[in-house]
Amino acid sequence: ETGVTQSPTHLIKTRGQQVTLRCSSQSGHNTVSWYQQALGQGPQFIFQYYREEENGRGNFPPRFSGLQFPNYSSELNVNALELDDSALYLCASSLEGGSSYEQYFGPGTRLTVT
Amino acid sequence: DQQVKQNSPSLSVQEGRISILNCDYTNSMFDYFLWYKKYPAEGPTFLISISSIKDKNEDGRFTVFLNKSAKHLSLHIVPSQPGDSAVYFCAASYTGGFKTIFGAGTRLFVKA
Repeated sequence: ETGVTQSPTHLIKTRGQQVTLRCSSQSGHNTVSWYQQALGQGPQFIFQYYREEENGRGNFPPRFSGLQFPNYSSELNVNALELDDSALYLCASSLEGGSSYEQYFGPGTRLTVT
Repeated sequence: DQQVKQNSPSLSVQEGRISILNCDYTNSMFDYFLWYKKYPAEGPTFLISISSIKDKNEDGRFTVFLNKSAKHLSLHIVPSQPGDSAVYFCAASYTGGFKTIFGAGTRLFVKA
């Protein structure tokens, strides 16, 4: 059974640029949630994708967007990067949509915006 | 809007003793609560959960207690081991919802 993987591990971008982060779900999981974890904070929910459709969204602006593919892997895209976007981005997969299922997290992508 | 609060940023405990990590929440709609553990350079891993219809759930050395009237839950680790040293996140969600709300975490140090 393959766990959740994320790429890249680290990334440095300049303010105003765009970035794409990738996530591969755990085998058998059809739901992916993305989180932003700033330093000293807990993970903050960005959005969830269930069977390739956005299933819910947190308080993040539209420049944060996502995709889920037929194999249930996922991408997080952030446009017009701001300094405050510097954080650890975590993806988590679960067996089904909603919030009542245990989530399996990847190791995260550390994004630094300069 | 911090709906889930972990007011202790860190906790230090001697090996073999009990570790008690606390969590408070404000949203009465929450009916499912989870604890995750996070080691450096790894993602959070699920530890234990509790539904609002229970007031206690036990799994080996880990027990979670829920006090709905006080909107408070706690995680007890007995006995604590050095390998338990990690950041512990309390999280909450509600039936029909889509997101899980996390607290800021408590860093546990277990001294040998």
